[in-house]
Amino acid sequence: LAKTTQPISMDSYEGQEVNITCSHNNIATNDYITWYQQFPSQGPRFIIQGYKTKVTNEVASLFIPADRKSSTLSLPRVSLSDTAVYYCLVAVSGSARQLTFGSGTQLTVLP
Amino acid sequence: DVKVTQSSRYLVKRTGEKVFLECVQDMDHENMFWYRQDPGLGLRLIYFSYDVKMKEKGDIPEGYSVSREKKERFSLILESASTNQTSMYLCASRERTGEWDEQYFGPGTRLTVT
Repeated sequence: LAKTTQPISMDSYEGQEVNITCSHNNIATNDYITWYQQFPSQGPRFIIQGYKTKVTNEVASLFIPADRKSSTLSLPRVSLSDTAVYYCLVAVSGSARQLTFGSGTQLTVLP
Repeated sequence: DVKVTQSSRYLVKRTGEKVFLECVQDMDHENMFWYRQDPGLGLRLIYFSYDVKMKEKGDIPEGYSVSREKKERFSLILESASTNQTSMYLCASRERTGEWDEQYFGPGTRLTVT
């Protein structure tokens, strides 16, 4: 079961690019990586998912090196509204039994 | 717009009471999940259901049971509530697929057991 490690907290300023790294040393061949965002008093919301190399959508980019032992969520030009907790999740495709959320990274964007 | 609703946002119960937390999704998803969220511990999976009447234990099932009689509804049951079950409870649903794991979460129920 792949466990994940993330920084507990990060601060950034508006307009900067933010990179949050998740370590998953025991990731298995069939595991993929997903990131969620959670605002206070709300449930988490899906941001991005990937298996290897790089994935980009309208919200973020996900970088996964060849050994897949870590991944980096990149948020371009953050704003105050990006202040949230970000969770890295490693799971076997299609499975629920092996879902493991990390403890999350509290990102605070400062003006 | 996809929607997962939970029966209560806040709930206060006494030790020993039987507690029902209800979750309903309107997306015809096959998979549904119950998590609890505690400070510093992130989200921990309690139970999940991959179809009607089908369920499997997650990482922390002790003290909980679940029921899924209809596809849209997934209930979490605390048979005899205890103070260590005071927590935020989150329900989620997911369309069954082999390659995509986009879960849709409800707003959560903050349960306090006194």
